Amino acid sequence: QVQLQQSGPGLVKPSQTLSLTCAISGDSVSSNSAAWNWIRQSPSRGLEWLGRTYYRSKWFNDYAVSVKSRITINPDTSKNQFSLQLNSVTPEDTAVYYCARDRGVGTTLFDQWGQGTLVTVSS
Amino acid sequence: DIQMTQSPSSLSASVGDRVTITCQASQDINNYLNWYQQKPGKAPKLLIYDASNLETGVPSRFSGSGSGTDFTFTISSLQPEDIATYYCQQYDNLRITFGQGTRLGIK
Repeated sequence: QVQLQQSGPGLVKPSQTLSLTCAISGDSVSSNSAAWNWIRQSPSRGLEWLGRTYYRSKWFNDYAVSVKSRITINPDTSKNQFSLQLNSVTPEDTAVYYCARDRGVGTTLFDQWGQGTLVTVSS
Repeated sequence: DIQMTQSPSSLSASVGDRVTITCQASQDINNYLNWYQQKPGKAPKLLIYDASNLETGVPSRFSGSGSGTDFTFTISSLQPEDIATYYCQQYDNLRITFGQGTRLGIK
């Protein structure tokens, strides 16, 4: 049974860096058949895919154009987890952030999700 | 970017009713269309993938159909526990987008 457990602060100051971690149990961040994603949800933007990391003989990352200049997603194989860093945040980055597994082959489908973390950007 | 138009934005139905939600893509996405259910305070849950495949463990009253640009999600007999918001999601060459959601309530 796959479980994703998120951790990280719920309050970030404007211009600072948002950092979240997603710990995986029941699967491996190094799996050759999964990708590990961050998705956020806000009333103004709805559900928004942010990016992913995955291993296919080497590590790959893909990011949404809207955040590409500010985002980093890193795997941590020693702890079987992956992380999100979003730089230079503004109040528009206030949202519930989810990590999610994509098990799609040739497509993308999110079959396992973390519990969600409400991150508020405010001074 | 591919735009997803989901309708209606909200609807109310009675227990036992047949409920239909549609999602239209601005261009052909083959069958790369998934449906999720989200209850308040919870993460979305995958119900249907690749337009018409029922995810393991999901009740058979849920179904999906369509290909190309027009897709339909159906609940054959609405149950009280189906009260939630439903989203479509498409995949096109790393442009992953979700519909705006349909809030489903009970009459």
